[in-house]
Amino acid sequence: AQTVTQSQPEMSVQEAETVTLSCTYDTSESDYYLFWYKQPPSRQMILVIRQEAYKQQNATENRFSVNFQKAAKSFSLKISDSQLGDAAMYFCAYRIPQGGSEKLVFGKGTKLTVNP
Amino acid sequence: EPEVTQTPSHQVTQMGQEVILRCVPISNHLYFYWYRQILGQKVEFLVSFYNNEISEKSEIFDDQFSVERPDGSNFTLKIRSTKLEDSAMYFCASTDNYEQYFGPGTRLTVT
Repeated sequence: AQTVTQSQPEMSVQEAETVTLSCTYDTSESDYYLFWYKQPPSRQMILVIRQEAYKQQNATENRFSVNFQKAAKSFSLKISDSQLGDAAMYFCAYRIPQGGSEKLVFGKGTKLTVNP
Repeated sequence: EPEVTQTPSHQVTQMGQEVILRCVPISNHLYFYWYRQILGQKVEFLVSFYNNEISEKSEIFDDQFSVERPDGSNFTLKIRSTKLEDSAMYFCASTDNYEQYFGPGTRLTVT
């Protein structure tokens, strides 16, 4: 069974600083996708960034970037120049492309606090 | 930009009652999902739906749950006889095979 582990229940960062959120996953598949979702207090699920396992290059989206280590099954999220609006729950998620279901499997989340 | 919508945003119901949660997926998407998030916990997969039938369901999705796409636009989740432990946020999602787009969720409170 696929599992996603986020070992940091809570993290905090000073505004304008950089923070890294950790995620590891367990799979025997070679082809899969990894995601980071942000969930603010409104509880809406917002896609932050996505990584295809076959791509060696780490994905980046503005201030958000990932460190994808396929052999180590590690997928961390780096937030640079943290802003107050980044405060939220962050969920790491995994998906196998299997043509029909492709459900997301989520980790338990990391609560990020941004201090002014 | 197209988005997934869900109604109602908050539903309060008594234990044992039936509830129907409604979702309108993005119009050209073909795969639909329901997820559940109990307060303070992770998001859990309930069911996926494709070509008018369930493609996968989790252990949570027992006989009390059903899904339907009654009219080609709505996608509904029915809980036949609600229990206290069904209190959660329910998210609908649809996919274009690239990413899953989530609706804003329905908060279900069972009293």
